[in-house]
Amino acid sequence: QVQLVQSGAEVKKPGASVKVSCKASGYTFTTYPIHWVRQAPGQRLQWMGWINTGNGNTQYSQNFQGRVTITRDTFATTAYMELSRLISEDTATYYCARDATTGINWFESWGQGTLVTVSS
Amino acid sequence: QSVLTQPPSVSGAPGQRVTISCTGSSSNIGAGYDVHWYQQLPGTAPKLLIYGNSNRPSGVPDRLSGSRSATSASLAITGLQAEDEADYYCQSYDSSLSGFVVFGGGTKVTVL
Repeated sequence: QVQLVQSGAEVKKPGASVKVSCKASGYTFTTYPIHWVRQAPGQRLQWMGWINTGNGNTQYSQNFQGRVTITRDTFATTAYMELSRLISEDTATYYCARDATTGINWFESWGQGTLVTVSS
Repeated sequence: QSVLTQPPSVSGAPGQRVTISCTGSSSNIGAGYDVHWYQQLPGTAPKLLIYGNSNRPSGVPDRLSGSRSATSASLAITGLQAEDEADYYCQSYDSSLSGFVVFGGGTKVTVL
């Protein structure tokens, strides 16, 4: 079955960067895009961007442009999300999610989430 | 402020029917893009409930149903059960600068 397993919780200082991983299994990794979605405590879901796991092309939300980088390692079947210049408002749970198709559609499977805390 | 607007909360007694609305605009739902729905239980990742406006993945009970019209969509839950108490989010695609994938603000369903 499809599984997305994310890396563990992180505590970072303001101004630092964080890199979260998402290990995929149970399907052909390069067929389906991976998206990243975050959720601040008590807040709504917020889409950050996605990666075409086949060719590595990415698109990012304007809200994170310039601060977020999504990459993938096809041999490790793992996607990564790096967020730089962290501020306290970046404290949130970050999720990876697999698209159900080869484009941008619905999110069929989700990782368990990674809590990133930004605090001095 | 969310691109897709949902009521913050709805409630109902066990066995009742509740509906959650998701109102968009001409750059997302009104442009013909599909709406999808997720359920999020406390402390867990979202779970897909409805895709393509009205389709249920296997395992999702037929008590849940989705519909779309013009610039809005709805999720209906009939025969409300205690296990339905959760947050629900709608999601669509947006062709404006908002950023491709947009979510509603979420609706908390409370079973009285």
